[in-house]
Amino acid sequence: DSGVTQTPKHLITATGQRVTLRCSPRSGDLSVYWYQQSLDQGLQFLIQYYNGEERAKGNILERFSAQQFPDLHSELNLSSLELGDSALYFCASSVGLHTGELFFGEGSRLTVL
Amino acid sequence: DAKTTQPNSMESNEEEPVHLPCNHSTISGTDYIHWYRQLPSQGPEYVIHGLTSNVNNRMASLAIAEDRKSSTLILHRATLRDAAVYYCILRDRAGGTSYGKLTFGQGTILTVHP
Repeated sequence: DSGVTQTPKHLITATGQRVTLRCSPRSGDLSVYWYQQSLDQGLQFLIQYYNGEERAKGNILERFSAQQFPDLHSELNLSSLELGDSALYFCASSVGLHTGELFFGEGSRLTVL
Repeated sequence: DAKTTQPNSMESNEEEPVHLPCNHSTISGTDYIHWYRQLPSQGPEYVIHGLTSNVNNRMASLAIAEDRKSSTLILHRATLRDAAVYYCILRDRAGGTSYGKLTFGQGTILTVHP
């Protein structure tokens, strides 16, 4: 158990819909990262927050957005969903901005039909 | 981000040592070498990291070449539970615009035979 909690574990929805994935980091960790893993793209970095502020952005689509709340939990919002958005979405946390190992959650598997 | 090169796959027998190589010829002076692994149906997990000297922990050892252009992750006695994808990643300890994110490549798929 990494200490990072992600919900929901599985989600099935239709094209055009919007979903929200939630992540609770390990106690004491200030950085939260979101990654997408699909079969053809591997693990892709989406975005990083540190203590509530966006700090690094990867290949995150404009249809996707994220935020980190004062209690440090984070949400990833995916809208206007397409078939190609089907993937595993991982959240990770670390203690510092660019220090400390990353601890990953078990992921949220999104299926878009 | 500086790039790493790993073999696509490797095989080992249970209870034998495994040496997983990684090339990183464009490594910069502020890059740490990190190894993560991803077991089937799980999120990646940290294995080990180092800067210049060889490192040991309960999971593995990391041998770093003197010029730092390559490294080797050593599993001293492979078990079936070690079957996973192993990722060698460079992480900028100075942060900079990367802010500590990890950039995953394709990794090495390790198969362990009983």
